[in-house]
Amino acid sequence: DGGITQSPKYLFRKEGQNVTLSCEQNLNHDAMYWYRQDPGQGLRLIYYSQIVNDFQKGDIAEGYSVSREKKESFPLTVTSAQKNPTAFYLCASLDRDTYGYTFGSGTRLTVV
Amino acid sequence: AQSVSQHNHHVILSEAASLELGCNYSYGGTVNLFWYVQYPGQHLQLLLKYFSGDPLVKGIKGFEAEFIKSKFSFNLRKPSVQWSDTAEYFCAVNAPGGGADGLTFGKGTHLIIQP
Repeated sequence: DGGITQSPKYLFRKEGQNVTLSCEQNLNHDAMYWYRQDPGQGLRLIYYSQIVNDFQKGDIAEGYSVSREKKESFPLTVTSAQKNPTAFYLCASLDRDTYGYTFGSGTRLTVV
Repeated sequence: AQSVSQHNHHVILSEAASLELGCNYSYGGTVNLFWYVQYPGQHLQLLLKYFSGDPLVKGIKGFEAEFIKSKFSFNLRKPSVQWSDTAEYFCAVNAPGGGADGLTFGKGTHLIIQP
């Protein structure tokens, strides 16, 4: 079945460490997105990529970085510069033919 | 840039009650509108979407939403809720043809249905 795989489901890191969240899709979608979900805040866009080797900052990009070397993969790195990294992170992709978004099951990052 | 406002952050209803969740957006151009649901421990699922045509949109699980352009609103409704409708509901909008194509979400409404 086609879909988005995010791994791991739960991630714990010490403060000051960088951590990379994985997002893989086998839907052949060009566009991919990273969102951060906090209680009472909804989902906020961190970074997006419309095509391989291209990515753009979203609304809350500070302290994050991404790469898009392959169509299937859009990893997100949470750097030590991110002031409040503990959150639930969701990856998504877009089928431009149907304007249908597919979401992954998310990674819950806890920084201690 | 577009923004989305969901009026109720927490709603508690009894089973069989009618539901209406408010959603307003701000954007001057053409928009696509979505409602997503997130059940406890599960990922986001699409309830329904509006792109064009009939402003009354029917979705899954008995939900519907009405797009009222003059009010910039896309309220979600269900005539009779069930305990299994307990979840977080998100309204979202994007501007087709824009540079990002990313969704802008409201802050969500946490719905609790009491048996």
